[in-house]
Amino acid sequence: AQSVTQPDIHITVSEGASLELRCNYSYGATPYLFWYVQSPGQGLQLLLKYFSGDTLVQGIKGFEAEFKRSQSSFNLRKPSVHWSDAAEYFCAVGAFSGNTPLVFGKGTRLSVIA
Amino acid sequence: NAGVTQTPKFQVLKTGQSMTLQCAQDMNHNSMYWYRQDPGMGLRLIYYSASEGTTDKGEVPNGYNVSRLNKREFSLRLESAAPSQTSVYFCASSGSGRPDGETQYFGPGTRLLVL
Repeated sequence: AQSVTQPDIHITVSEGASLELRCNYSYGATPYLFWYVQSPGQGLQLLLKYFSGDTLVQGIKGFEAEFKRSQSSFNLRKPSVHWSDAAEYFCAVGAFSGNTPLVFGKGTRLSVIA
Repeated sequence: NAGVTQTPKFQVLKTGQSMTLQCAQDMNHNSMYWYRQDPGMGLRLIYYSASEGTTDKGEVPNGYNVSRLNKREFSLRLESAAPSQTSVYFCASSGSGRPDGETQYFGPGTRLLVL
């Protein structure tokens, strides 16, 4: 069965600084990988996804993520954080076999300070 | 397209009361899901429906029932609400075919308080 670990519960960064949110997954085959963002009081919005091919994927709002099979990781990055990026971020893994719900990590809350 | 809609947005119940949370999607998706979100617990799957006419239990199904009314609608029922069911409930849907069918789209959530 799949599992996802987001080691950081809460991260604080200064506006304009770079950001990396960590995600490690466990799955025996090729995974589908996702990052979602949740602003306070809102639902989850898809940031980006990896299915196959280029291991560096670009998403919305200037985010990117890199799939590293050898490290079972799919870390989310942004070169310069904006105050509006303050939110909760969820990594999720899906099974290549399909018809199986995604498994979500517990989330990382991002705070942005001036 | 409205995407995934949920009603109500907020509800207060007394212990033992029943209620149904409604979810509808207009993206012609085959699969629909119900999650609950609690602080520090992330999203936990309650039930899902891979296609019209089928439902399956998720990680935390106890105390809930679901109905896939048609392809568009998937409702979640609490027969006898308990304070432990105080949570934010999210509905999601996903299409068919691989790989894009794996992408889930979420509704805005229903905040439920059980007193």
